[in-house]
Amino acid sequence: DGGITQSPKYLFRKEGQNVTLSCEQNLNHDAMYWYRQDPGQGLRLIYYSQIVNDFQKGDIAEGYSVSREKKESFPLTVTSAQKNPTAFYLCASSIDRTYGTGELFFGEGSRLTVL
Amino acid sequence: AQKVTQAQTEISVVEKEDVTLDCVYETRDTTYYLFWYKQPPSGELVFLIRRNSFDEQNEISGRYSWNFQKSTSSFNFTITASQVVDSAVYFCALSGHYGGSQGNLIFGKGTKLSVKP
Repeated sequence: DGGITQSPKYLFRKEGQNVTLSCEQNLNHDAMYWYRQDPGQGLRLIYYSQIVNDFQKGDIAEGYSVSREKKESFPLTVTSAQKNPTAFYLCASSIDRTYGTGELFFGEGSRLTVL
Repeated sequence: AQKVTQAQTEISVVEKEDVTLDCVYETRDTTYYLFWYKQPPSGELVFLIRRNSFDEQNEISGRYSWNFQKSTSSFNFTITASQVVDSAVYFCALSGHYGGSQGNLIFGKGTKLSVKP
């Protein structure tokens, strides 16, 4: 089945550690996105990528890094510089490269808890 | 600035009741898109509808219907004869363009709908 796979589903991290969340898609979409969701809040954009080897900061990029070496993969690293990393992280993709115009396809998310 | 307000934080209904989820938006753009997404307990958001600012026709898809009114800046979502499987968090979202080719997508805080048998 075509879709977006995020791993791990649950992750625990000690303070001061970097952690990488995986996102893989087999939809052949050019654009990919990372969102953060906090309880009772809407989604906030961390980073997005419209094409391989290119990515743009979103609204809350500080303390995060990404790479886009392959079309199907868009991993997110939560660094120790992120002050409040405990959250639910969602990866998405879209056919449309222009952000905000088309349907987004989401993965099932990764829940990160900092101990 | 763009803003999306979903004033209803949580709604609880009994199966077969009709329910309307409200969405009010603010934008200075003349061209924009409005979206609704459903987030079931499994976590992933599922696209329900996209509407552009020039199309004010209401839309019906099975038990779902959407009422877009530019005069009141609202894009409300109604579920007719609700079912337990409709229980989820529903997000309204707005996008526009700020003078360039890049869009921006703003999500509301979501409305949690609980449908009880």
